[in-house]
Amino acid sequence: AQSVSQHNHHVILSEAASLELGCNYSYGGTVNLFWYVQYPGQHLQLLLKYFSGDPLVKGIKGFEAEFIKSKFSFNLRKPSVQWSDTAEYFCAAFNTGGFKTIFGAGTRLFVKA
Amino acid sequence: DVKVTQSSRYLVKRTGEKVFLECVQDMDHENMFWYRQDPGLGLRLIYFSYDVKMKEKGDIPEGYSVSREKKERFSLILESASTNQTSMYLCASSLLGIRGQGGVGEAFFGQGTRLTVV
Repeated sequence: AQSVSQHNHHVILSEAASLELGCNYSYGGTVNLFWYVQYPGQHLQLLLKYFSGDPLVKGIKGFEAEFIKSKFSFNLRKPSVQWSDTAEYFCAAFNTGGFKTIFGAGTRLFVKA
Repeated sequence: DVKVTQSSRYLVKRTGEKVFLECVQDMDHENMFWYRQDPGLGLRLIYFSYDVKMKEKGDIPEGYSVSREKKERFSLILESASTNQTSMYLCASSLLGIRGQGGVGEAFFGQGTRLTVV
């Protein structure tokens, strides 16, 4: 079955620490990959996306993600987190042969000021 | 900007009631989705629709039905609400596109409806 796995459910970091959130997907074909973020009390919004080309993609607010096809991974990174990055982060994959986007379980990030 | 609007932010309903959750999008997207969001479980797909009057079951369709009479509107129906349907419900829309077309799959979400069944 198609699935998306996020490695951590909860992450607690101090400000200025580096962040890496793991994501693996199980689709065998061509996929579009996404990271969404949900800040407290707000709706889900797109952080960054990968469709093709350069496997290192940059998103908003200093986030980036790297697509490694051989590892079926799309990990999210930020060199130095801020208190305002406290949110829930969702990895998602869309099989271009189908209609559905599959989401991971989410990772709750708490950044200590 | 794409706008996806859900009719209610908060709802409280009694067990056994029929509940309607409405969603409207203004970007002429073909695909529309209903998810429920529960802590530790992420977003789980209930139903989706890729065209007017077309619907497909997602991963957890039991206890739910949907209606898509117009392209811009996708309704989620709880035929007889139960306490285990207490959750945050999210509506989303996206382009259908053709295979390999950029932008396919990127979803735009509404604010969510927090439903409590008592």
